[in-house]
Amino acid sequence: SQQGEEDPQALSIQEGENATMNCSYKTSINNLQWYRQNSGRGLVHLILIRSNEREKHSGRLRVTLDTSKKSSSLLITASRAADTASYFCAISIQGAQKLVFGQGTRLTINP
Amino acid sequence: DAGVIQSPRHEVTEMGQEVTLRCKPISGHDYLFWYRQTMMRGLELLIYFNNNVPIDDSGMPEDRFSAKMPNASFSTLKIQPSEPRDSAVYFCASRPGRSYNSPLHFGNGTRLTVT
Repeated sequence: SQQGEEDPQALSIQEGENATMNCSYKTSINNLQWYRQNSGRGLVHLILIRSNEREKHSGRLRVTLDTSKKSSSLLITASRAADTASYFCAISIQGAQKLVFGQGTRLTINP
Repeated sequence: DAGVIQSPRHEVTEMGQEVTLRCKPISGHDYLFWYRQTMMRGLELLIYFNNNVPIDDSGMPEDRFSAKMPNASFSTLKIQPSEPRDSAVYFCASRPGRSYNSPLHFGNGTRLTVT
C-alpha cells in the first residue's frame, strides 16, 4: 500500500505532557503533511514538510522527516485538552497530484 | 473565505435510492478531491479533478459511483443505486494548482447512512 501507516493507533496522555506520533510510508514523496480532525468535522492542515527538509516547527508542533527510513514524526509539546483529536499523516506521491492518508492516531489529552 | 462547502451535512436514504452529494470548492482552487472515510478503511481517495477535468478515478469503487464537475465552483458525487455498504462520511477538498506543496482544504463532510 502507498498510504502512510501511523503509530500508535491511539494515545492517551496527561495535559502538559508531550505527544509523539509516527508515520511510515513506502514510496517516493514530494512532501509529507499532517492534518488534524476533530469529531464530526473535516480535516484541517497543520504542517507540511518537503522531501528535502529534515525538520520543521510551527508553534507547539515539531515535525521530522527521514526519507532514508521513509518515516516522519509529529511532536506536540505541552499538550492541552483542546489538542484532543485524530491526527493523520498524508503523503504527496512523487509525480502525482494526489494525497494519500494514513489511518490516523486518536489522541486524548486528559485534564 | 467561506471555505469548502458541502451539502447536505447528513443524508439518510433507503437502499436502492439515488444519492447526490454536493461540493463548492474555494474560489480559485484548481484541484478538487473526493474522499470517503470509514472506520474500517480510513480515508480513501475516490476521484480528483483539475480545472474541472477528472484526472484519476481509480478509487471509485464501482460503476454505481459517478462524479462530475460542470464548472469551477461546483462538483457532485452521485451513487445510484445506493447500498448499505456505501454508508460513510464523504469529504470534498480543494487546493490551488500552483505546486504539490499546497495543502488541502476540506469541507465538513456529508454523513451518508443507507438503510
